[in-house]
Amino acid sequence: RKEVEQDPGPFNVPEGATVAFNCTYSNSASQSFFWYRQDCRKEPKLLMSVYSSGNEDGRFTAQLNRASQYISLLIRDSKLSDSATYLCVVNSPAMRFGAGTRLTVKP
Amino acid sequence: GAGVSQSPSNKVTEKGKDVELRCDPISGHTALYWYRQSLGQGLEFLIYFQGNSAPDKSGLPSDRFSAERTGGSVSTLTIQRTQQEDSAVYLCASSPQAAGELFFGEGSRLTVL
Repeated sequence: RKEVEQDPGPFNVPEGATVAFNCTYSNSASQSFFWYRQDCRKEPKLLMSVYSSGNEDGRFTAQLNRASQYISLLIRDSKLSDSATYLCVVNSPAMRFGAGTRLTVKP
Repeated sequence: GAGVSQSPSNKVTEKGKDVELRCDPISGHTALYWYRQSLGQGLEFLIYFQGNSAPDKSGLPSDRFSAERTGGSVSTLTIQRTQQEDSAVYLCASSPQAAGELFFGEGSRLTVL
């Protein structure tokens, strides 16, 4: 079983749509969780950390469910500029990446 | 300020040759990671250095792969007797703490002919 499992998509949505990504992890001792964004042919960059109580940053909401060992990312009112691959990351204890979910937002 | 620097940015080599990839992390960052990313795939963890602790080598795919980090700073990833399946982008990342934000270099694209 992979350390971090993520639905590869792709997700193709119209502008303004709400889209959700999920990710499961296998190591119950993991303590740190993140979502990264990777644009085509670029290096990944931190989008947001995921806190136990859930956290929001503008149109982005991240949630953690420790009992079920999954994290989620919700993007509201999606923009064309949100098109990218979204990667969940879990420390295990090394930082392990999911395979990434590709999002394309269309006009 | 200076970010993570990787060299070479591109490397083309023949099957069977050895290659060395270099990573200069951000000054003061204690954690350093190597990942491999094949076209259209996710990031495959290779190795993790944290301070003076023994590195986590659990992601190295075979004994042809090795890495070292000298003086807690620069790291070199060595691939011996390269194979075509080693072709990928090798990404280095550093972090100021064990489970903090990762700052990536632009990667070294390796092509094995």
